[in-house]
Amino acid sequence: SQKIEQNSEALNIQEGKTATLTCNYTNYSPAYLQWYRQDPGRGPVFLLLIRENEKEKRKERLKVTFDTTLKQSLFHITASQPADSATYLCALDPEATGNQFYFGTGTSLTVIP
Amino acid sequence: KAGVTQTPRYLIKTRGQQVTLSCSPISGHRSVSWYQQTPGQGLQFLFEYFSETQRNKGNFPGRFSGRQFSNSRSEMNVSTLELGDSALYLCASSLYHRPDSPLHFGNGTRLTVT
Repeated sequence: SQKIEQNSEALNIQEGKTATLTCNYTNYSPAYLQWYRQDPGRGPVFLLLIRENEKEKRKERLKVTFDTTLKQSLFHITASQPADSATYLCALDPEATGNQFYFGTGTSLTVIP
Repeated sequence: KAGVTQTPRYLIKTRGQQVTLSCSPISGHRSVSWYQQTPGQGLQFLFEYFSETQRNKGNFPGRFSGRQFSNSRSEMNVSTLELGDSALYLCASSLYHRPDSPLHFGNGTRLTVT
């Protein structure tokens, strides 16, 4: 069945460390993959998009990699801060129909001061 | 620029009733999509509208319907509510009808069916 899995429902790390979140998908060959952040009681907020021909994308303390062979994307937050605590979601549009996105299960990140 | 606005923020309905949720996209955005979010199933795609036409539909029963107006505002309707329809309903708008176009979400309508 089609599925997008993200590593462990919850991830706790110490402030200042690098958080690494995983997004694994099966049965898809997406051309793009997106990452979102969601805070409790709020809608997801777009963070980064990576294309299949891009190995890596950076934005400030955020870095995303995309390995189409492994069918995996990694999301890194360097020098993590308590304000980074949130749920992070990966999303893809497998049939490139335009805006029919499938979202991952989400990883709840807690950065401990 | 104002973000995506969803109303109402909270709703409590009784099983068997129907409900209409409203979404105003970011100005200039013509694509509006709807998602259902529950703890067990996560975020699931309901449908997407672009230029007043439904372009994609997720795997939900016909009780779930929607429409988009000429000003890009959208509504979704759920008829004959069931307990399992309790969820956070999220609306998202985007500038283009493309898979590389980021989604801009509202803060959702929390629907509780009793």
